[in-house]
Amino acid sequence: AQSVTQLGSHVSVSEGALVLLRCNYSSSVPPYLFWYVQYPNQGLQLLLKYTSAATLVKGINGFEAEFKKSETSFHLTKPSAHMSDAAEYFCAVSDPTGGSYIPTFGRGTSLIVHP
Amino acid sequence: DGGITQSPKYLFRKEGQNVTLSCEQNLNHDAMYWYRQDPGQGLRLIYYSQIVNDFQKGDIAEGYSVSREKKESFPLTVTSAQKNPTAFYLCASSPDGTFRYTQYFGPGTRLTVL
Repeated sequence: AQSVTQLGSHVSVSEGALVLLRCNYSSSVPPYLFWYVQYPNQGLQLLLKYTSAATLVKGINGFEAEFKKSETSFHLTKPSAHMSDAAEYFCAVSDPTGGSYIPTFGRGTSLIVHP
Repeated sequence: DGGITQSPKYLFRKEGQNVTLSCEQNLNHDAMYWYRQDPGQGLRLIYYSQIVNDFQKGDIAEGYSVSREKKESFPLTVTSAQKNPTAFYLCASSPDGTFRYTQYFGPGTRLTVL
């Protein structure tokens, strides 16, 4: 069975500081991994995804994530936070166990950016 | 522009009423999904459809029903059997139903039971 843990329901950073949002997963086989962003009262938008190619994945808006199999992690980073990055971020895992890729979403991390 | 539309944006329901949430996509995607979002709980899958005239229950299907008569449409009915329907509902689609592909999300419908 697969599961996703996002450490920290809220993360607060200053504008210009490093952003680090943590995601750990459990999966019996190499999974597909996704990060989505949600702005208030809107749907989710894909930031980036890992599909067993390069372990360092670059996404939109300067975000990137590194797949670390040994740590079962897929943490999201951005070198310098911008006020417009304030949003809810969701990590999702999808693995093919049993022939199904039904994704599981984490509970989300709210990113707060201070001026 | 291709995308997913959901209507209405806000919906109010009296207890005991059934309501239907609309979801339409013009991306020519085979698969469509309904999720429920509650604060601090992430997204939970209600129903999904991999092809027209076929759909499967997700993790929390009780009290909900769907239909998939057309490729572009996947309406969700919240029935009176759903005990706590107040939530934010998100519709999504993807090229096929294997879940390996990115899901494209609509803007959501916020349902409130009065």
